[in-house]
Amino acid sequence: SQKIEQNSEALNIQEGKTATLTCNYTNYSPAYLQWYRQDPGRGPVFLLLIRENEKEKRKERLKVTFDTTLKQSLFHITASQPADSATYLCALDYAYSGAGSYQLTFGKGTKLSVIP
Amino acid sequence: DAGVIQSPRHEVTEMGQEVTLRCKPISGHDYLFWYRQTMMRGLELLIYFNNNVPIDDSGMPEDRFSAKMPNASFSTLKIQPSEPRDSAVYFCASSDPLADSYNEQFFGPGTRLTVL
Repeated sequence: SQKIEQNSEALNIQEGKTATLTCNYTNYSPAYLQWYRQDPGRGPVFLLLIRENEKEKRKERLKVTFDTTLKQSLFHITASQPADSATYLCALDYAYSGAGSYQLTFGKGTKLSVIP
Repeated sequence: DAGVIQSPRHEVTEMGQEVTLRCKPISGHDYLFWYRQTMMRGLELLIYFNNNVPIDDSGMPEDRFSAKMPNASFSTLKIQPSEPRDSAVYFCASSDPLADSYNEQFFGPGTRLTVL
């Protein structure tokens, strides 16, 4: 089965800096990979999706990369703000490729704290 | 739409008691997922439904757990009998992957279950 590792349980950075979170997986490369944000006491909220044939995706201050050779995705938040403090989860689709299976495996998450 | 609705938000029960968690997915979503989240194991998929039919229940821990979806707007997850190790936050999520190219899963607020 697919195993997912997110580089660290916690990451502290200074406001204004770029936060970089890592998601590594074993076995086959998934059809796509997603990133979610989870605030305390709430359910995860979808942020971005990147497909196996895409190298990079951007959304406002967020950037995601996907390297199927390294079996790794990087999630960047530029010009970080205290409001970005949350836990960030990566999630992989079970299927090899194509449309996907719609069934996700989640990493344990990285808790990001942005210090003013 | 109100989003995914879960009840109760908190449940405290004693070992051996039956627990029923409830979920109302977003209207029109034909996939429904039940997850369990703990610090040790992260977010784990228990079971998911497509058009009210269970597709994969391989994540259900044991026979004490059962899930039903009698119609498109309601699902239950039942634990009988409950044990202290079942203490966790249980999330319900729904999606409409055929209409949403991002295959975003929409999560409810979760039910925090404590079994004494």
